Parts: sequence; structure tokens; C-alpha cells
Amino acid sequence: EAQVTQNPRYLITVTGKKLTVTCSQNMNHEYMSWYRQDPGLGLRQIYYSMNVEVTDKGDVPEGYKVSRKEKRNFPLILESPSPNQTSLYFCASGLAGKPQYFGPGTRLLVL
Amino acid sequence: SQQGEEDPQALSIQEGENATMNCSYKTSINNLQWYRQNSGRGLVHLILIRSNEREKHSGRLRVTLDTSKKSSSLLITASRAADTASYFCATDASSGNQFYFGTGTSLTVIP
Repeated sequence: EAQVTQNPRYLITVTGKKLTVTCSQNMNHEYMSWYRQDPGLGLRQIYYSMNVEVTDKGDVPEGYKVSRKEKRNFPLILESPSPNQTSLYFCASGLAGKPQYFGPGTRLLVL
Repeated sequence: SQQGEEDPQALSIQEGENATMNCSYKTSINNLQWYRQNSGRGLVHLILIRSNEREKHSGRLRVTLDTSKKSSSLLITASRAADTASYFCATDASSGNQFYFGTGTSLTVIP
């Protein structure tokens, strides 16, 4: 089944404790992206990747890191999480100029 | 920010009625997409319209695009209770790599 998977789905952590949210797709898509969704703000793009070893900042990259060592995986890293990074995170993948396929989301609470 | 805006923010209609929601954006685009999100879940792609297209249909969905006004509308005809969801428009930057989502329209269809 074609899908984008994210892990974990729910995460509670404390300020400053490094965490990684994994994202994997099985559709051989070149393009992958991370978004955060906050009430009243819609979805905002954090980082995106056009292919392996190619990543770029989106609208709100501060406090986040990504890597694209393999085509199928695009982990989101929070080196030192802060409470303002409490949000619902979505990973997405797709082909250039085509619709994106979204993962189920990861709810993060930073205390 | 280049984020778009949907209008209205919330819409409540009776089953069988048509629902129209609008999206405005700020910059030139290659294409515009509409997505649907059931509460707290991942987004699902509905329809993509390219900048050189003015109207597109898919089942009960009709999308129009007016690039001179930088606006788009999504019409759902003969609505059903199952159409209850949030609807987002998304535009790409001229590079086609970065995406901007609107703040969403919350649609409630009353049985």
C-alpha cells in the first residue's frame, strides 16, 4: 500500500531534550516536506527536499533540522525543543508539480 | 508571509446544498491545489489546477482559478454529511518547490 508513515504519532517531551520524528515513504517520490499545523495558522512548511542530499528551508525552519540520506526517509530533528514547538507535524511526499501525499501526523507537546 | 487565506473560516450547510469556499493568495503560482482534512488527520489531495487553467471538475467538485485576482474557489455540489471536514488551498512558489497553505475553511454538513 502506497503510504507515508510517521513515528511517533504522539510525543511528550521536555524543553531541551533532543528528539527525532521519522518519516518514510514507499512511493519512490523525489520530493519530501515537513509542515507544522497550529490553530488559526494553517499549515506552514518547515523544510523540504527535492532529492537525496538536497534540502531547503521553508517558511518556518528555525529550531529544526532535517536530513535526506536515503530517498525514502526524511527525518525531522529538534535539537533543543522549546514549548513554542508544540504542534501537529505532518510529513508529505510527492513528485514535482504533482499532489502531495501526507502522513498521519505527529502530535508533539514540549513541556 | 506568502500564506493564502480561505474564506469563510467556517461554513455550515444542510445536506444536499452546495458549499463554496474561496482562496486568495499573494504571489505568482505554477498551480493551486485543494486538500481536505478530517479532524486531526493527514491531508488528502482533492484537485490540482494549473495556472493556465480556469476551471476544473472532479466528481462533485468544481474548482475555478482567476490568476488576475489571485483567487480560487472550490464548489462542492450536493453536499453530504461525510463532506464535513476542513478544506485548504495550497499554492507553490514560482520555483515549484515551496508550498503555501491557506488557513482553511471548516465545513459542517448537517444531515
